[in-house]
Amino acid sequence: SQTIHQWPATLVQPVGSPLSLECTVEGTSNPNLYWYRQAAGRGLQLLFYSVGIGQISSEVPQNLSASRPQDRQFILSSKKLLLSDSGFYLCAWSGTVMNTEAFFGQGTRLTVV
Amino acid sequence: GQQVMQIPQYQHVQEGEDFTTYCNSSTTLSNIQWYKQRPGGHPVFLIQLVKSGEVKKQKRLTFQFGEAKKNSSLHITATQTTDVGTYFCAAHPSGGSYIPTFGRGTSLIVHP
Repeated sequence: SQTIHQWPATLVQPVGSPLSLECTVEGTSNPNLYWYRQAAGRGLQLLFYSVGIGQISSEVPQNLSASRPQDRQFILSSKKLLLSDSGFYLCAWSGTVMNTEAFFGQGTRLTVV
Repeated sequence: GQQVMQIPQYQHVQEGEDFTTYCNSSTTLSNIQWYKQRPGGHPVFLIQLVKSGEVKKQKRLTFQFGEAKKNSSLHITATQTTDVGTYFCAAHPSGGSYIPTFGRGTSLIVHP
């Protein structure tokens, strides 16, 4: 069966520090991968998605970047965190067929102080 | 881009009361998906509807897809405290897409 792993679960980082969140998927090949951000009490904002290795699409301009160095690995990064980067970050995957459901990781709660 | 409007944003109910959340789109959809996110947790897929007028049930939950495939609802009968969480709809546009558009979610608070 397919599983998705996301770490760390919680993170407290000072303003200006770098960020690296990692997400890996097991049990499937060539998944579509997504990074979402959820502000407290808010909806899901799509940050990046990827349909293949090295293929990254950005949905909103921001202080973050994403990379997909391997088929089932998706990384969210920042060189210098801002206070506004605080939030709940969710990685998700879906199958290669259109209109399929998404499966979410456990999420990373990031607090920038 | 496509937008999916979801209402209400919050709903407080007494345990045993019913609950409904609605999703609306100005454009025709390929499908509608529903997810549940427990407090502190991650969204979990509940169900997908693809046919015009489709109705599906999961125990006390009833999901409907409108005849015009532009709106959907999730109805919970006789809420329980275990129903607490945020319910999201997500949709793909007519013609298909790899990227689901999520509604803003409805947070359900059940008072015992």
